[in-house]
Amino acid sequence: GENVEQHPSTLSVQEGDSAVIKCTYSDSASNYFPWYKQELGKGPQLIIDIRSNVGEKKDQRIAVTLNKTAKHFSLHITETQPEDSAVYFCAAAEDQTGANNLFFGTGTRLTVIP
Amino acid sequence: NAGVMQNPRHLVRRRGQEARLRCSPMKGHSHVYWYRQLPEEGLKFMVYLQKENIIDESGMPKERFSAEFPKEGPSILRIQQVVRGDSAAYFCASSPPRGVGEKLFFGSGTQLSVL
Repeated sequence: GENVEQHPSTLSVQEGDSAVIKCTYSDSASNYFPWYKQELGKGPQLIIDIRSNVGEKKDQRIAVTLNKTAKHFSLHITETQPEDSAVYFCAAAEDQTGANNLFFGTGTRLTVIP
Repeated sequence: NAGVMQNPRHLVRRRGQEARLRCSPMKGHSHVYWYRQLPEEGLKFMVYLQKENIIDESGMPKERFSAEFPKEGPSILRIQQVVRGDSAAYFCASSPPRGVGEKLFFGSGTQLSVL
């Protein structure tokens, strides 16, 4: 089965700096990679996703890159703000409709210091 | 349009009791997924249901755990004879019918504490 590893487990940055979270996956059949943000006391919320037919996707201050050859993908947050503080999870699945086959990383706790 | 609703938010049970967790999917969503999250860990898939059908329960323990999604009413995750190791956050997610490019929407979870 798929194995998703996520690093770092904790990350602290100064407000305005960039934050990068990296994930690797093991199953070359995986082709859908969503990122979720989980705030305290809430469920995970999808913030961005990417499919393996593209190498990069951007949405305002958030971007995700994918290296299919190396089987790793990363989340980039620029100009971080205190409200970006949360736990971020990466995930991988064989296709977008296979939510029962969505494998999650162990999470990164991001703290943005004002 | 209300999101995925889970209740209760917090549930305390003593060892040996039963825990019933409820999930109402988003309006128009016919697919429900249950995940378990242990402290400092990611979400682990448990079971995937459609109305009146269990599609995939490969992530659910064979004993003491069961799930249903009846024709009417919420999806229920039931844990019988709870043990301390069942303490975790249980999240429900829903999605529209497959094949429409659906994404997962999560509820706020139920924190189960077994004393």
